[in-house]
Amino acid sequence: DAGVIQSPRHEVTEMGQEVTLRCKPISGHDYLFWYRQTMMRGLELLIYFNNNVPIDDSGMPEDRFSAKMPNASFSTLKIQPSEPRDSAVYFCASSPGTGRGGYTFGSGTRLTVV
Amino acid sequence: AQSVAQPEDQVNVAEGNPLTVKCTYSVSGNPYLFWYVQYPNRGLQFLLKYITGDNLVKGSYGFEAEFNKSQTSFHLKKPSALVSDSALYFCAVIITGGYQKVTFGIGTKLQVIP
Repeated sequence: DAGVIQSPRHEVTEMGQEVTLRCKPISGHDYLFWYRQTMMRGLELLIYFNNNVPIDDSGMPEDRFSAKMPNASFSTLKIQPSEPRDSAVYFCASSPGTGRGGYTFGSGTRLTVV
Repeated sequence: AQSVAQPEDQVNVAEGNPLTVKCTYSVSGNPYLFWYVQYPNRGLQFLLKYITGDNLVKGSYGFEAEFNKSQTSFHLKKPSALVSDSALYFCAVIITGGYQKVTFGIGTKLQVIP
């Protein structure tokens, strides 16, 4: 398996533009997580899905952020409109079952909003 | 609410010396505890976990961690540090029986000095 695949690796966009981050989890993993990493706040859980259904989105900062998982092999995190304070590294992770085995993280998308 | 604390922002150790990266946790139930490592420009990689059983857990790359219930700690250790161990280390916890929400510590930067 190629692991958790995220795209793009880097994204630079202008304030006000829409940004879409993509994630392909490991096949057979039924949990998918979106995290944001910044120097100030460390790793923050934004939202997670179980069997494609959003379970907890309490970490989504505001209505500008939305996430979808239309099928078991694909998820998106969208920011519209983007702001400079959204600049961060966004990670997707997946895990099977109860998570006892730990998560597998993607390599992340570094977002810069100018 | 569950939480983890990593009291040291950075740990410096000479190559060949033993290393310890500290972690304490606070949960209302029984914890699952994890250590992850993050190399520059990469996602987090799973190192080891404690679920139940032996308090000394062995993981990847020669790392081990000791679960201490009375002190609510789960310190990461390695008998002999390598320069290549220099990275950011995260402690994480989830509660057994609960849903999948993992709480990560803020991270500790390990610097191994040649």
